[in-house]
Amino acid sequence: AQKVTQAQTEISVVEKEDVTLDCVYETRDTTYYLFWYKQPPSGELVFLIRRNSFDEQNEISGRYSWNFQKSTSSFNFTITASQVVDSAVYFCALVGGTSYGKLTFGQGTILTVHP
Amino acid sequence: EAGVAQSPRYKIIEKRQSVAFWCNPISGHATLYWYQQILGQGPKLLIQFQNNGVVDDSQLPKDRFSAERLKGVDSTLKIQPAKLEDSAVYLCASSSTRNYGYTFGSGTRLTVV
Repeated sequence: AQKVTQAQTEISVVEKEDVTLDCVYETRDTTYYLFWYKQPPSGELVFLIRRNSFDEQNEISGRYSWNFQKSTSSFNFTITASQVVDSAVYFCALVGGTSYGKLTFGQGTILTVHP
Repeated sequence: EAGVAQSPRYKIIEKRQSVAFWCNPISGHATLYWYQQILGQGPKLLIQFQNNGVVDDSQLPKDRFSAERLKGVDSTLKIQPAKLEDSAVYLCASSSTRNYGYTFGSGTRLTVV
């Protein structure tokens, strides 16, 4: 069985603050992929990043960065200098090598960035 | 590249009525997924197709939900009869085999009153 936990239900910050969204996962697969998606009020799921289980290098893309730590089964997402446009629901998701492509999502974290 | 198309965008029905959703995946994507997203929760897989065949429908309430994928391309998801708890966004996604690159449609927001 696979499980993704996003313990933070809602986070509220003021513009230009840094914010970290936590994600903890469980899987018995040795090969797996982790994802982050953004869901703005319009409802579509916007792909942000995919990371495979063999690549523990941190990744930075503009104001976004991701910290993958297999030792703690975590894949945290940091937004630096947040902006109002970052306000959305963010989902962490997992697909295991034996799950035939089935994505398991966390409950989501609602991020509100105030001007 | 065209995205995953879904229709309708919104639907309001009364309980016990039936409803159908349509999805057209990205051309060439063998795998198609239907997810249900209840307000305040993450998407949950209802059914997964690989070409014409069903790979996983373990979470599909088969007494009221049905889905098909004609000729390995378009898919329809049907609910009959609908219940209040079926109010959710129904997301369709597709991916090419084993590359774990998923593309999601904009979803159909269903309200059952």
